[in-house]
Amino acid sequence: GQQVMQIPQYQHVQEGEDFTTYCNSSTTLSNIQWYKQRPGGHPVFLIQLVKSGEVKKQKRLTFQFGEAKKNSSLHITATQTTDVGTYFCADTGGGNKLTFGTGTQLKVEL
Amino acid sequence: DAGVTQSPTHLIKTRGQQVTLRCSPKSGHDTVSWYQQALGQGPQFIFQYYEEEERQRGNFPDRFSGHQFPNYSSELNVNALLLGDSALYLCASSLFQGSDTQYFGPGTRLTVL
Repeated sequence: GQQVMQIPQYQHVQEGEDFTTYCNSSTTLSNIQWYKQRPGGHPVFLIQLVKSGEVKKQKRLTFQFGEAKKNSSLHITATQTTDVGTYFCADTGGGNKLTFGTGTQLKVEL
Repeated sequence: DAGVTQSPTHLIKTRGQQVTLRCSPKSGHDTVSWYQQALGQGPQFIFQYYEEEERQRGNFPDRFSGHQFPNYSSELNVNALLLGDSALYLCASSLFQGSDTQYFGPGTRLTVL
C-alpha cells in the first residue's frame, strides 16, 4: 500500500532559525494537506495543495507541492516557540480518507 | 458554532473488554471519519460514515465497528481489546460533497491494561 514518509523525524532548532520538513510518497499524491499537532493535542488543518508545483504561503510558513505530485515540503522562516509541535502531511486520496505521513517533531529552544 | 466533540476524554480498559467511543461532528457536517493514533505515529484511518453507512474502511480488523446516527453523530466500538489497541482515537468531521478539509476532535485516549 501507499507509504508517506517524512524527514526528518525530529528537528531541534534555536528560536529564529528556519525549519523544513519534507514529505515523500511512494505513489502519486491526490491532494496534499498539512496538519500541526501540538503536544497532547489533536491535528489542526493548516493548508491544502492541489496543483502540481503549487506554492502557498501563510505568514512565516511556505508550502510546496512537487511537480510530479509525489512530494511536498513545509518551510518555516524564523521559528518561534509557538511553532513547537509535530507537523504531518496527509494525502487526501479522494473521499476524505487521509493517509498521514510519519510526521516531523519540531522543538524550538530559546 | 460547536466544533467536533468526543467523549470520554480518557478511558482505561483491560484486555478482552469492549469499548464505545462517541463523536459529535462540527455543526453542518455530515461525514465522520475515525482515526487511530499510536504514540509517536501519524493517525491511521479506521473507517468513515456518511448517511449512516460505512463508506470507506482502512486496514483494521472487524473487531472495530461503528455506527452513525440520524443526527450525524457517531460511535466507534472495539471488541476483545488488545494491548496494542492503546492509542489516541480521533474523530474527524467533514462534508461528503465538499472540500477535503477535515476537522479533528480532541480525541479519546484509550489505555488497555
